[in-house]
Parts: sequence; structure tokens; C-alpha cells
Amino acid sequence: QVQLQQWGAGLLKPSETLSLTCTVYGGSFSGYSWSWIRQPPGTGLEWIGEISHSGSTSYNPSLKSRVTVSFDTSKNQFSLKLSSVTAADTAVYYCARLSSGWPKWFDYWGQGTLVTVSS
Amino acid sequence: DIQMTQSPSSLSASVGDRVTITCRASQSISKYLNWYQQKPGKAPKLLIFAASSLQSGVPSRFSGSGSGTDFTLTISSLQPEDFATYYCQQSYSAPRAFGQGTKVEIK
Repeated sequence: QVQLQQWGAGLLKPSETLSLTCTVYGGSFSGYSWSWIRQPPGTGLEWIGEISHSGSTSYNPSLKSRVTVSFDTSKNQFSLKLSSVTAADTAVYYCARLSSGWPKWFDYWGQGTLVTVSS
Repeated sequence: DIQMTQSPSSLSASVGDRVTITCRASQSISKYLNWYQQKPGKAPKLLIFAASSLQSGVPSRFSGSGSGTDFTLTISSLQPEDFATYYCQQSYSAPRAFGQGTKVEIK
């Protein structure tokens, strides 16, 4: 059974860098793409970006200048960094696995991490 | 970028009702449309992928249809555990946009 366990700092000040990590248990890490999605309080879901098994990345244009997604295959982990955060970045952040093949869907999700940006 | 629009944004229904949620894409996305269910405080859960394929373990009262720009999620007989928010999501091209959600509430 695939499980995604995520962690990271939950309270940041404006201009700091958000950093989250997601560890994959119970399944293969290679061969899949891995993604980050966020949900501001009381609103809908926003795709942030993803990294493929080959290391190629794709980001939401609205966040591209501030986002980096990376992975460490030796630890079955992938990470999100979002720089220069503001209050508008306050959200629950989810890590998720994209299904293999094409087309793709988010088939496994982490538990979510609430990140609050406040001075 | 492809925009996804769901309707209605919320609805009230009773146990046993048939419920239909619509999702429209701003351009054709073939059958590259997925549906998720989210309960408060929980991560979204995949229900339907590729417009009409039921994810393993999901009850058969859930079904999806459509192609091109117009898609539908149907719950044939609403159960108490189905009260939640439902999101569509396109997987045709990046960015992987979600609809704004449809909240299904108890009548």
C-alpha cells in the first residue's frame, strides 16, 4: 500500500522560503511523477508543480519564478521550495503521486501540511 | 492555460437522491478529465479517471461521462458518506487545472 508522508515548517514570516518534504512508503519511487498541490483556506485546489522520474520539472506559470521541486531517489523523497512567501501563500500543501502512463491523475496523496505566513 | 468551470458551486440533496455535477473545460481536453472527492480536513480522493473509469474501491453509484469540453459526475443514490466537495481536474496539459469545486450538502 502506497503512503505519502509529508512534513515541514508550518509557520513562516513574509519573505522566507517555504520548504516541505514528502516521503514515499510502500511502492516504487522510480517510474512515477511527483507533484505538489495547495489549497488556501476555504477555497479550491491549485497545482503548484511536479517532477518526473527523469528529473524534468513543470511548474504553474503563476508560481514558476519562486518554485523548485526536486527529489532524492535514495531516500524515496521529493521536496518543494517556495521562495519569498507572502500571506497569499497561506494554504494547506499536499504532495501527490501522478499515475504511470498517460493520461495521468493524482492517485495517492499526502495528509496535507498547513503553512501559515504571518509577521 | 485551460480553465475548468464546475456547476453548481453547491447543492443540497437528500439521501437517496440522484446528483449530477457538471464540469466544463475552456477548450477540448478529449477524455483527460478526473474527479476527486474531498471531505473536511482530508486530502482529496480519486473517484473517476479518464472521464469515465472508476477508481478501484470506489462504489459503483459514482459514474462519470463526457468528452471534449463537457463532463458529468453522477451519484446515482446519494449516501450519507457522500456529503463532501467534489473537484474535476484536467490532465490534458500543464498547468493541471482543477475546477472550483462543488459542495454537496444535506437537505
